[in-house]
This record gives sequence, structure tokens and C-alpha cells, in this order.
Amino acid sequence: EAQVTQNPRYLITVTGKKLTVTCSQNMNHEYMSWYRQDPGLGLRQIYYSMNVEVTDKGDVPEGYKVSRKEKRNFPLILESPSPNQTSLYFCASTPGTSLYEQYFGPGTRLTVT
Amino acid sequence: GDSVTQMEGPVTLSEEAFLTINCTYTATGYPSLFWYVQYPGEGLQLLLKATKADDKGSNKGFEATYRKETTSFHLEKGSVQVSDSAVYFCALKDVGGSEKLVFGKGTKLTVNP
Repeated sequence: EAQVTQNPRYLITVTGKKLTVTCSQNMNHEYMSWYRQDPGLGLRQIYYSMNVEVTDKGDVPEGYKVSRKEKRNFPLILESPSPNQTSLYFCASTPGTSLYEQYFGPGTRLTVT
Repeated sequence: GDSVTQMEGPVTLSEEAFLTINCTYTATGYPSLFWYVQYPGEGLQLLLKATKADDKGSNKGFEATYRKETTSFHLEKGSVQVSDSAVYFCALKDVGGSEKLVFGKGTKLTVNP
């Protein structure tokens, strides 16, 4: 089954404790992206990757890092989480042209206390 | 930059009522347009899309037409069901460049029996 998976689905952590949210897709898509969803703000892009070893900032990259060492994986790293990073996070992938939809993972709800 | 404006919710309807959720966009070039739906506790799923002017996307009884002259992509359904209760997001995707999806803020729809 074609899908995007994220782990963990739920995470409660404390300020400053490094964490990684994993994202994996089995569709051989070139393009992957991370979004955060906040009430009243919709979804905003954090980082994206056009292919292996190619990443770039989205609209709200501060406080986040990503890497793309393999085509299928695109982890999101919060090196020193803060309470304003409490949010719902979605990973997405697409074959990489504007004509195609993005496939979304199920989301990771992160709470930073 | 590119942007999407959709009608603010929440929207509450009775079963079998007619639904319209307005969406207008600002973009350079000719973006692809999408409606995504998010059911409670789930990730986003593509509902329908249109990739050029005058295209009509349709799925599950929902329709939207890409109107370049009014820069609009309004979502409609003739007879809603309780199972249509969800949050609906209008989005555009830039042609080329970052492949980023630009989302509206979402419209929550509740359908009562």
C-alpha cells in the first residue's frame, strides 16, 4: 500500500530535550516536505527536499533541522524544542511536479512543556 | 507571494443541504489548485484538483471549477451527509520552484442529521 508514515504519532516532551520525528514514504517520490498545522493559521511549510541531499527552508524553518540521506526518509529534528513548537506536524511527499497531489502522513501531535 | 483565502468557518448545515465553501487565490503564473479534506484525527487527503483554467475537479459528489478570470476555486456539493463533517482546505501549488503547497486556513464543516 502506497503511504507516508510518521513516528511517533503523539509526543510530549520538555523544553530543550532534542527529538526527532521520522517520516518515510514507499512511493519513490523525489519531493518531501514538512508542515505544521496551528489553529487559525492553516498549514505552513517548514522544510522541503527536492531529492536526496537537497533540502531547503520553507516559510517557518526556525528551530528545525532536516536531512535527506535516503530517498524514502525525511526526518524532522528539533534540537532544542520550545513551547511555541507545540503543534501538529505533517510530512508529505509527491512525485515532484506541480500537476501531482501531495500525499500526507497521519500527523504527529507534539506538546512541548 | 502566493496566497489562498477561503471562507472562515465554522459552517454548520443540515443533512441534504447545499454546500459552498469559497476559495480565492493570488499567484503568479498558472498554479494547480486543490481541495484537501481532513477528517477528525486524520491526516489530509486529496479531495479534488484542477491543473488549468476551466478544469473541473470532482470527487465524492464534490465539485470545484478553476476560474482564472475570478481567481477562484469554490467547493460545492449538492447534498451533504453527516459523514462529510471535516475540515476542508483549499490549496495551490506553484508551477516549478519549490513545489510548495500554499494552504488556506481551513473551513470546518459540521453536518447535523
